[in-house]
Amino acid sequence: KNQVEQSPQSLIILEGKNCTLQCNYTVSPFSNLRWYKQDTGRGPVSLTIMTFSENTKSNGRYTATLDADTKQSSLHITASQLSDSASYICVVQTSGTYKYIFGTGTRLKVLA
Amino acid sequence: DAMVIQNPRYQVTQFGKPVTLSCSQTLNHNVMYWYQQKSSQAPKLLFHYYDKDFNNEADTPDNFQSRRPNTSFCFLDIRSPGLGDAAMYLCATSRDRSSGRGEQFFGPGTRLTVL
Repeated sequence: KNQVEQSPQSLIILEGKNCTLQCNYTVSPFSNLRWYKQDTGRGPVSLTIMTFSENTKSNGRYTATLDADTKQSSLHITASQLSDSASYICVVQTSGTYKYIFGTGTRLKVLA
Repeated sequence: DAMVIQNPRYQVTQFGKPVTLSCSQTLNHNVMYWYQQKSSQAPKLLFHYYDKDFNNEADTPDNFQSRRPNTSFCFLDIRSPGLGDAAMYLCATSRDRSSGRGEQFFGPGTRLTVL
């Protein structure tokens, strides 16, 4: 069964600190993996997208990694800001189809 | 700016009273999706349009219908809303469904309350 699991479920950090969010997937056949940021009451906004051949992708203070062998991805946030408080969702798309498999997200809270 | 627009942002309806949610896009994308997202859960795909071709998910209740009169607009109709239909409804678009051109752009969502 195609699944995407994220950990931790929630995370609280102090402003300025770094953090890493995890995503494990059992989706096959794999096409690409995306990380989205979803502010409370808003739609998800794309942060990064990685295909099978990409190991890392950066977007400002956000760096995503992908290990296609172990089917794991991580999202590293550097020097966190209060505005980083949001849910971060990992989404895997299957190859050749329109199917997007969503994780349940990690809720990040950044405190001053 | 090119974007995905959803109206209204907040919708309150009564139990059993039909409601329509609206989505429009200026991206000229071929594919439009409707998702239902309940609190602390992942978005759940209800259906999508690939151009005029409607694709329903197998577990989407008959209570949910959709219309796409043209490329820019897509509507979600809930014929008889129940309390369990209260949720955030997200519209998304993508240029195509294939992996290389399938990046989804989401609207801000419509939060539906059923009284």
